[in-house]
Amino acid sequence: EDKVVQSPLSLVVHEGDTVTLNCSYEVTNFRSLLWYKQEKKAPTFLFMLTSSGIEKKSGRLSSILDKKELFSILNITATQTGDSAVYLCAGAVGTSYGKLTFGQGTILTVHP
Amino acid sequence: GAVVSQHPSRVICKSGTSVKIECRSLDFQATTMFWYRQFPKQSLMLMATSNEGSKATYEQGVEKDKFLINHASLTLSTLTVTSAHPEDSSFYICSASGGQLRGYEQYFGPGTRLTVT
Repeated sequence: EDKVVQSPLSLVVHEGDTVTLNCSYEVTNFRSLLWYKQEKKAPTFLFMLTSSGIEKKSGRLSSILDKKELFSILNITATQTGDSAVYLCAGAVGTSYGKLTFGQGTILTVHP
Repeated sequence: GAVVSQHPSRVICKSGTSVKIECRSLDFQATTMFWYRQFPKQSLMLMATSNEGSKATYEQGVEKDKFLINHASLTLSTLTVTSAHPEDSSFYICSASGGQLRGYEQYFGPGTRLTVT
């Protein structure tokens, strides 16, 4: 059975701190690893990682995938209160029409 | 592009009634749509995968007779919760994928909060 595990489950930091969120996966026919940010409604897409070792960046957020260790991290630098959310990672299957298996999420709280 | 809508955004129904939730891809053709369920403080659990014109594939433990999925066109999928019970109260989210042409990326709808009284 496919499995995605995130750590930590929750994290409380102050504005300006840097955080690293972890995601390990065991996904049959793995194609890519996706990161989403979820606030009050449905998840919004952050990154899709397919190749190992290539960092993707978007502003203060960056992410990288290690396909040998079956692991990905999401970094957020200079955190802001608006970064408070649940961060979800998901493994995408190469068959089955791109089915996603989600991790349990990391709840990030950024205090002013 | 890649906008997915859901309707209704929030619904309250009585125990024993059925509720239909619509998921539409507004600006692309969704070859595959996915239905997820999310309980408070938990992650998204895939319920079923549906491809246009064919029967949905349900995940283990999801009752197909209770959660009826229809994917009648490339822009619309519906989830009907039949004979709803309070334990069906949850946040239901759909996503739509344009398949290989769009890199299999899934675009999520805004979700529907179902409360069964």
